[in-house]
Amino acid sequence: LAKTTQPISMDSYEGQEVNITCSHNNIATNDYITWYQQFPSQGPRFIIQGYKTKVTNEVASLFIPADRKSSTLSLPRVSLSDTAVYYCLVVNTDKLIFGTGTRLQVFP
Amino acid sequence: DVKVTQSSRYLVKRTGEKVFLECVQDMDHENMFWYRQDPGLGLRLIYFSYDVKMKEKGDIPEGYSVSREKKERFSLILESASTNQTSMYLCASGLAEGNEQFFGPGTRLTVL
Repeated sequence: LAKTTQPISMDSYEGQEVNITCSHNNIATNDYITWYQQFPSQGPRFIIQGYKTKVTNEVASLFIPADRKSSTLSLPRVSLSDTAVYYCLVVNTDKLIFGTGTRLQVFP
Repeated sequence: DVKVTQSSRYLVKRTGEKVFLECVQDMDHENMFWYRQDPGLGLRLIYFSYDVKMKEKGDIPEGYSVSREKKERFSLILESASTNQTSMYLCASGLAEGNEQFFGPGTRLTVL
């Protein structure tokens, strides 16, 4: 399974757009890019998944360039409740491999 | 909503004890997983199961075993608990053909 690299931490302020980039240079043709969110003392929660170009849902957008070697999770107008750890995964089976994620801290 | 429940939120055991962690899901998912989460190491897969009575080793199965006698229930067993098994244990379930996993709230196990 492809290994992902993402920043260890990011800071933002309420109302700002946050973009978290993940690199996955060895992504395979069958891999999908998936993001999970984890709040303290809770299990991770699925946010969004995509294969290429752009995917948007009510929570976030996912941008994937043509070469698929990276992806960007975009959180519009974050609030304090978006403070969490965000994990980028590349998957082609139901076996997930989590890295250490990006710890996003949102300040008032 | 999918619900994955774990038998305990917090558990304290002594070295050498046999420990059972139970996980139940209510969405008829085929797949179930056990992870442990440690600071700086992220989530690591211990065991998973694609069907009743089936089990597959994950990345760190040593010191653990699992049981899946019913589709909705997946148990993690520590045959002889050790202090290095102090961790947060997370259970998840998912559909056979899907990538999305639904996680329980976790059990924080401390082994003294």
